Amino acid sequence: QVQLVQSGAEVKKPGASVKVSCKASGYTFTGHYIHWVRQAPGVGLEWMGWTNPKSGGTVFAEKFQGRVTMTRDTSSSTAYMELHSLKSDDTAIYYCARERITVVRGIMAVGGMDVWGQGTTVTVSS
Amino acid sequence: DIVMTQSPDSLTVSLGERATINCKSSQNVVYSANTKNYLSWYQYRPGQPPRLLLYWASTRESGVPDRFNGSGSGTDFTLTISSLQAEDVAIYYCQQYYTTPWTFGQGTKVEIK
Repeated sequence: QVQLVQSGAEVKKPGASVKVSCKASGYTFTGHYIHWVRQAPGVGLEWMGWTNPKSGGTVFAEKFQGRVTMTRDTSSSTAYMELHSLKSDDTAIYYCARERITVVRGIMAVGGMDVWGQGTTVTVSS
Repeated sequence: DIVMTQSPDSLTVSLGERATINCKSSQNVVYSANTKNYLSWYQYRPGQPPRLLLYWASTRESGVPDRFNGSGSGTDFTLTISSLQAEDVAIYYCQQYYTTPWTFGQGTKVEIK
């Protein structure tokens, strides 16, 4: 079945980097953008950016510009999100999610994010 | 950035009763190429990833019970749970994907009375 499986929980010190992986299966990896969303304690869902698995292109939320890297490995159908210069308020659950694509009258139409990874808890603490 | 504002912040409803959540976007989210509202609703239960309930404002995702309904267009949207069940206790988010950055509402917590 279609699924995204993320890497395990991480504990990092302030200033360090963390790299989260997201392995796709059950569908054509290069056919759907992969988005990254986080949920910090007491805070709502926050969109971080997307990566185009086909081209490697990326778009990030301005808040994370210069501090986040999103890459992919098409040979293993895996997307990666690396966050640098970690701070305590980066403590959160990080999710990858597949962009829903439907072809409507020959035109591709986006429909939100339909498949989600199980989440990766990242704790930043000294 | 498009700001998404949900109301109320929390909602307490009796089992079997209707729950209504509103969502307002600061800009029109109708995509002109296909006239679809680029607005989705998610259910977020503790310990689980978000679940897509509705996309294009009113199209139910496969497997979503028909008690979940979405309506609205342009800048004003509504999620209605017609008959609240115990398993519907969650936080509900609207989200626009009309333009980057994709933005979520602040969430509405739904509880049982």
